[in-house]
Amino acid sequence: SAVISQKPSRDICQRGTSLTIQCQVDSQVTMMFWYRQQPGQSLTLIATANQGSEATYESGFVIDKFPISRPNLTFSTLTVSNMSPEDSSIYLCSVDGDFSTDTQYFGPGTRLTVL
Amino acid sequence: AQSVTQLGSHVSVSEGALVLLRCNYSSSVPPYLFWYVQYPNQGLQLLLKYTTGATLVKGINGFEAEFKKSETSFHLTKPSAHMSDAAEYFCAVSDGGFKTIFGAGTRLFVKA
Repeated sequence: SAVISQKPSRDICQRGTSLTIQCQVDSQVTMMFWYRQQPGQSLTLIATANQGSEATYESGFVIDKFPISRPNLTFSTLTVSNMSPEDSSIYLCSVDGDFSTDTQYFGPGTRLTVL
Repeated sequence: AQSVTQLGSHVSVSEGALVLLRCNYSSSVPPYLFWYVQYPNQGLQLLLKYTTGATLVKGINGFEAEFKKSETSFHLTKPSAHMSDAAEYFCAVSDGGFKTIFGAGTRLFVKA
C-alpha cells in the first residue's frame, strides 16, 4: 500500500484566512481524493484530482472555496479559502490503491480549527 | 443510488468478548464493500474488503466480515476484543469509479 503524508497535521486559523494542505505520496498514483470529516461525522468527498486535468468537485463543493492543485503524480494540495468556523473539520487525502476494486489508501488527515 | 447504514453509533464490549459491528447497504449493482478503522487522531486504515468470490472475508487484526447478499449486509466481527481495538469503524460501499459512500461510523469501546 502507498504511504501518504499530509502537512500540516493540525492548524488553528482565524476566520477569513486561507489554509493550504499538502498531500504527498511515496509512489505515483493516478487518482487523488480529498475528503472532509466534520466533527463526529463520516467522510464526505470534496473532489477528485487527476494529474494534468481540473479537479472534479462533488455537489456542494466549489472550486472558489476549495481550489485544488495536482502538479504531478505524487503530490496534491487543497486550499480552504475564506474560512469560517463551519470549515472546522478533518481534511483527508486518499489515493487509488486498486482500480479493479475501488480500494483507497488514506493519509493521516489535517485537523483544522477555525476561530 | 448507493447507501450505507451502520446500526449503532456506539458499541461497548468487554475485553475478550465478541465484537459485532453491523452494516447494511443498498446498491443497484454488485458492490465493493469495505471496512475501515480510524484510531484517534489518525487517518483511515483498510481493515478488509469484499469484491467477488468468497463471501467470508478475513482482514487484519483478527477481524472478518461476511457478505450476505440476501440480507444486504456486511457485518464486521472479531471473536475476542482487545483494548487496542477501541476506535471508530466505517463501513463503505462502492459500485465502481471510486464513488465510495461511507457509513456514519461506529465507535467501539472496549472495557477492561
